[in-house]
Amino acid sequence: EVQLVQSGAEVKKPGESLKISCKGSGYSFTSYWIGWVRQMPGKGLEWMGIIYPGDSDTRYSPSFQGQVTISADKSISTAYLQWSSLKASDTAMYYCARLSGSGTYYFDYWGQGTLVTVSS
Amino acid sequence: QSALTQPRSVSGSPGQSVTISCTGTSSDVGGYNYVSWYQQHPGKAPKLMIYDVSKRPSGVPDRFSGSKSGNTASLTISGLQAEDEADYYCCSYAGSYTLWVFGGGTKLTVL
Repeated sequence: EVQLVQSGAEVKKPGESLKISCKGSGYSFTSYWIGWVRQMPGKGLEWMGIIYPGDSDTRYSPSFQGQVTISADKSISTAYLQWSSLKASDTAMYYCARLSGSGTYYFDYWGQGTLVTVSS
Repeated sequence: QSALTQPRSVSGSPGQSVTISCTGTSSDVGGYNYVSWYQQHPGKAPKLMIYDVSKRPSGVPDRFSGSKSGNTASLTISGLQAEDEADYYCCSYAGSYTLWVFGGGTKLTVL
């Protein structure tokens, strides 16, 4: 069974750094792109970026380029989303999602989400 | 890249049909047959309902169907059921620079 399990909720202060994770199981982790999606409170979904764990090829949405860093450790089947200096506006639910396969353009499995709260 | 345009809300009675539109541009919806739809219940992760404009993943009821005309994609839910009440998001591939863009979401209320 394909599963994406994300790390738990985080409460941070502005200016702090953070790295959240997404662990894949039940499939070949290195063969599928993993994307990250933001959902601010009461708002819609926003695509942030995507990584291919096989070679760490990473692409970012223009809206998030330079704001976050996406990485992966294929030895432990885990993708990451990190911030070097959080802002209150980073408060949101963050989902990881698997791109269905080579030559496909939709996300077939999603993690349960990680709630990030940034408040002084 | 602006979000795709969806109606903020739609509603229907059990057994009826509803259609949710998703309007983009020739750079996204109109340029590729890579529109997908996601259902999101409150407090839950999104779930894939339609991909490649009109294909249904295994396990999704055939009450859900998708189509596209020009720069507008549509999700139709027929035979509405109470459990269909949720938020629905469209998503389109938008080329090698932007890659993906989501719609703003539509809240479906089953009356």
